[in-house]
Amino acid sequence: NAGVMQNPRHLVRRRGQEARLRCSPMKGHSHVYWYRQLPEEGLKFMVYLQKENIIDESGMPKERFSAEFPKEGPSILRIQQVVRGDSAAYFCASSPGGSLGNEQFFGPGTRLTVL
Amino acid sequence: GNSVTQMEGPVTLSEEAFLTINCTYTATGYPSLFWYVQYPGEGLQLLLKATKADDKGSNKGFEATYRKETTSFHLEKGSVQVSDSAVYFCALRLYNQGGKLIFGQGTELSVKP
Repeated sequence: NAGVMQNPRHLVRRRGQEARLRCSPMKGHSHVYWYRQLPEEGLKFMVYLQKENIIDESGMPKERFSAEFPKEGPSILRIQQVVRGDSAAYFCASSPGGSLGNEQFFGPGTRLTVL
Repeated sequence: GNSVTQMEGPVTLSEEAFLTINCTYTATGYPSLFWYVQYPGEGLQLLLKATKADDKGSNKGFEATYRKETTSFHLEKGSVQVSDSAVYFCALRLYNQGGKLIFGQGTELSVKP
């Protein structure tokens, strides 16, 4: 059973461009969480999604950031008009949810560098 | 608010030394507590967890006991190895907050041969 997949692993963007980060949860998992890790800091929760629904986006910046988890395909974290402060590692985690519990399994992360 | 505080790193130890990484928390409810480990260039892996007071989580020689009276969940290992070099994160999860994890800032451990 493959783990959580994230791609790309490394992404370089210039200021003002868009960044799209993809996360494929583990098979059978319908819950996805996104976290951001700034340099020298711990992980900060951004958003929690179930299939086609945003459950909790209390950690998402109000502008330029959006997330989706469509019925088919991976979850996408989208950052529009990136700025240097968006440079960070972005981690996705998935869990089965429901009666199967909500232990989170993490992907390897996408390291975003904004030039 | 809800938060996790860890001892600052980096922590440098010799092989076979005893390890303690302190972790305390503040929570409005009754949290579950976790330790995650992050090896260089990788994502986080769950190391151990405890879901109620006085529970002891253990894995790979690491242990941590959920102490409600001191709101602590300190990580310990009796004899560290070079392969334990990594960043360790303490985290909490509240039942009524949908499963999101609240992390401490991480403690880097470096074990020298």
